[in-house]
Amino acid sequence: DTAVSQTPKYLVTQMGNDKSIKCEQNLGHDTMYWYKQDSKKFLKIMFSYNNKELIINETVPNRFSPKSPDKAHLNLHINSLELGDSAVYFCASSLGTAARANYGYTFGSGTRLTVV
Amino acid sequence: AQSVTQLDSHVSVSEGTPVLLRCNYSSSYSPSLFWYVQHPNKGLQLLLKYTSAATLVKGINGFEAEFKKSETSFHLTKPSAHMSDAAEYFCVVSIYSGGGADGLTFGKGTHLIIQP
Repeated sequence: DTAVSQTPKYLVTQMGNDKSIKCEQNLGHDTMYWYKQDSKKFLKIMFSYNNKELIINETVPNRFSPKSPDKAHLNLHINSLELGDSAVYFCASSLGTAARANYGYTFGSGTRLTVV
Repeated sequence: AQSVTQLDSHVSVSEGTPVLLRCNYSSSYSPSLFWYVQHPNKGLQLLLKYTSAATLVKGINGFEAEFKKSETSFHLTKPSAHMSDAAEYFCVVSIYSGGGADGLTFGKGTHLIIQP
């Protein structure tokens, strides 16, 4: 009964490939996010989706595209992978869209992407 | 714009002694603040959160944090460190995008080392 689950947990791929990371939440949350954690452990938001609408789109390359088939899923597609894309990617979800984020966030366990 | 600064990249304490992890924030609005913990090769776990209620917030595993608006601080403390507390700790502030949904701005993390 995992709350936020990501697959795969590890992904090793060659430069230039296209890959996807899947995320699903069973909490009934209405907002989902993707964060990237670099080699120095710094976490930065990439995208968020609320009711299938992209709300935040940070300055990430357009090779990255989030896709949400429904409220419980937010998948991350990455085209033409580059060495610099190697990182840990975390999916998260939250309930409520109030500015103060009173409800907190639940994170998945992360997907470690290695581009060789 | 919101930002968060963790003043120490590494903190080392002996088992059984107090822990203090420092965090300062800046925010255009009254912030929501969080502390997350990440154990090696694990996901992110919420320790505690402040959302404009009591300024002293108690979290899991004996951790607590005090919101001090005058000092724009949200330091994390624990009276007695345990070996299992060794991990990376992130101070986090919420973002208000203006579009309805929230994301999080992470500090760069503090690596807590527990000496036996």
